[in-house]
Formats: sequence, structure tokens, C-alpha cells
Amino acid sequence: EVQLVESGGGLVQPGGSLRLSCAASEFTVRDKYMSWVRQAPGKGLDWVAVIYGGGSTFYADSVKGRFTISRDNSKNTLYLQINSLGPEDAAVYYCTSGGSLGSLDYWGQGTPVTVSS
Amino acid sequence: QSVLTQAPSASGTPGQRVAVSCSGSSSNIGSNYVYWYQQLPGTAPKLLIYRNSQRPSGVPDRFSGSKSGTSASLAISGLRSEDEADYYCAAWDDSLSVYVFGTGTEVTVL
Repeated sequence: EVQLVESGGGLVQPGGSLRLSCAASEFTVRDKYMSWVRQAPGKGLDWVAVIYGGGSTFYADSVKGRFTISRDNSKNTLYLQINSLGPEDAAVYYCTSGGSLGSLDYWGQGTPVTVSS
Repeated sequence: QSVLTQAPSASGTPGQRVAVSCSGSSSNIGSNYVYWYQQLPGTAPKLLIYRNSQRPSGVPDRFSGSKSGTSASLAISGLRSEDEADYYCAAWDDSLSVYVFGTGTEVTVL
């Protein structure tokens, strides 16, 4: 059974940094389109970034230059480096995988990020 | 970055048919597949419809999707209490090179 398990969320001060991880099982991350999606409390879904199998990356305008999506094929793990955190970044961050661009076939349980001083 | 528009809410009684619409533009829905996601209260979203009208294994055939031009629709027939959830449409946007979600529709079973 495909599993995505996120970790690394927590309480961070404004301006701080965090690295989220997503461990995948029963498939290989380099063979899929891997994305991060976030959801602020009581709000809708907000796409953050995607990394293609070939390594190309795309980002939402709101995070471009601050967030970096990457993967470690040897660990079969997806990452999201988050820098210069602001209150608008507080959300549950979900890791997703898909067999084609646009198809978020599987979702993790999410990891919460709280931004507060 | 919600560029897909959905009505905030929809409702129906058990057994009824409910439709959820999603409006976009030529750069997203008009030129790419539409996907639908269901988010039950307190849980992670789940893929409900892919490539406009296809159902993943395990999704009941009460759920159906369609697309016409720059709009898409999700229909739930034979509405059941367990269908109470938030529903989101989504598509890749070629102009923005981003994935865009709809604003979400909360479906209530009366």
C-alpha cells in the first residue's frame, strides 16, 4: 500500500526556517510527480510546489524564492525547505504523489506549521 | 492563488442529486484535465475524479465528473450522509505554470 508520511512541522518564529520531510513507501519518488499542498486553518487548499521525475521544479508565486522542493532518491524522501517564514505560511502541509502532472493521487496525513513569536 | 471559482456551499437530502460547478479559463480548465478532491472533516484530501471524468478504484459510481469548455462539474447522485465534505476542483494552469485549486464547495446532507 502506498504511504506518504510527513514530518518536520512545528512552531517557528517569524523569519525562521524549517525543513519538512515526506517518506514514501511502495513506490519510487523519482518516478512520480511529487507536490506539496498546504491548508491554512479553516481555509481551502493551496498548491505550493512540484518536482517532476526529471527534476524540474515549479512553485506558487507566493513561495517562490523562499521555499525549495527537493528529493533524496536514496532515501526515497521528498523535502520542502521553508525560509523567511511569515504568518501567511502557517498551515498544515501535505505531501502528494501522482503519476501525471496535475493528478495528486496519494496524500500524506499532513504536518502542521505554526508561525508565532 | 485560487483562479478556479466554486460556489461556497451546496446541499441536498439523502438520495438526491447534487452538482458542484467549477469555473476557470482557457489556460487551465480550457486546456488541461480537471481533477476533483474530497476532504472529509478532519482528514486529508483524497482524489475523487481524475482526467475530467475518471474514477479511481474504490470511488463509488455515484460520483461523476464532466467538463465543457472552461467549466467543469462534479455530480453526486443518490446523496448519502457520508458524502458531507468539502469538494475542490483543480487543474494545471499553462499561463502561470502552477497548479490551481478551486475555492472549495462544502456539501451538506440535510
